[in-house]
Amino acid sequence: ENVLTQSPGTLSLSPGESAALSCRASLSVSSIYLAWYQQKPGQAPRLLIYGASSRATGIPDRFSGSGSGTDFTLTISRLEPEDFAVYYCQQYGTSPYSFGQGTKLEIK
Amino acid sequence: EVQLVQSGAEVKKPGESLKISCKGSGYSFTNYWIAWVRQMPGKGLEWMGIVNPGDSDTRYSPSFQGQVTISADNFISTAYLQWSSLKASDSAMYYCARHVRASAGVYQFYHYMDVWGKGTTVTVSS
Repeated sequence: ENVLTQSPGTLSLSPGESAALSCRASLSVSSIYLAWYQQKPGQAPRLLIYGASSRATGIPDRFSGSGSGTDFTLTISRLEPEDFAVYYCQQYGTSPYSFGQGTKLEIK
Repeated sequence: EVQLVQSGAEVKKPGESLKISCKGSGYSFTNYWIAWVRQMPGKGLEWMGIVNPGDSDTRYSPSFQGQVTISADNFISTAYLQWSSLKASDSAMYYCARHVRASAGVYQFYHYMDVWGKGTTVTVSS
């Protein structure tokens, strides 16, 4: 199983700042198989990024993804109040299609 | 509008059986796999498995293999997740999601889950 480790566990930032969320895989993943999701309290997850760097429909351009191999990053620039949530990466390279444990982005 | 509508919250006793559902609409149900994802209270997302409604091909995470059954009925555009004997540890939120496999080039495909149901809460308690 490909284990995804996200860091930090919690990130405290202020609106207007930028956030960098890391996702490290135990096995190399083709970038086309890496996705990022956002989950707010009481809501289902929402797709943000697929293929490591392609934004899903309707996702603002302040969200960007990068990386390859075993190291991937979700960057959120100019944080808006609605961006404070939990973020998960997921890999589809090897079954089971595992998720990272999540990074909570909280308002400082 | 593409949507997945999940069945309502369930409260069950240990040892009981349960089948929850996820109905797709607004798209061709047989063209996309349906995945199930567990979220235990206050915890992260866990991928449980996936079903192809077109041919009922099913794959499970080893963590859930033998513990649940995933199925689909393409005539009513509905996927299912079922337990034969619930345990207290099955108490969680369960999401279904549409799994997309989209062309990323020659013989390459993106995979992602683009539409999610609102979730079904399952509570197992004596």
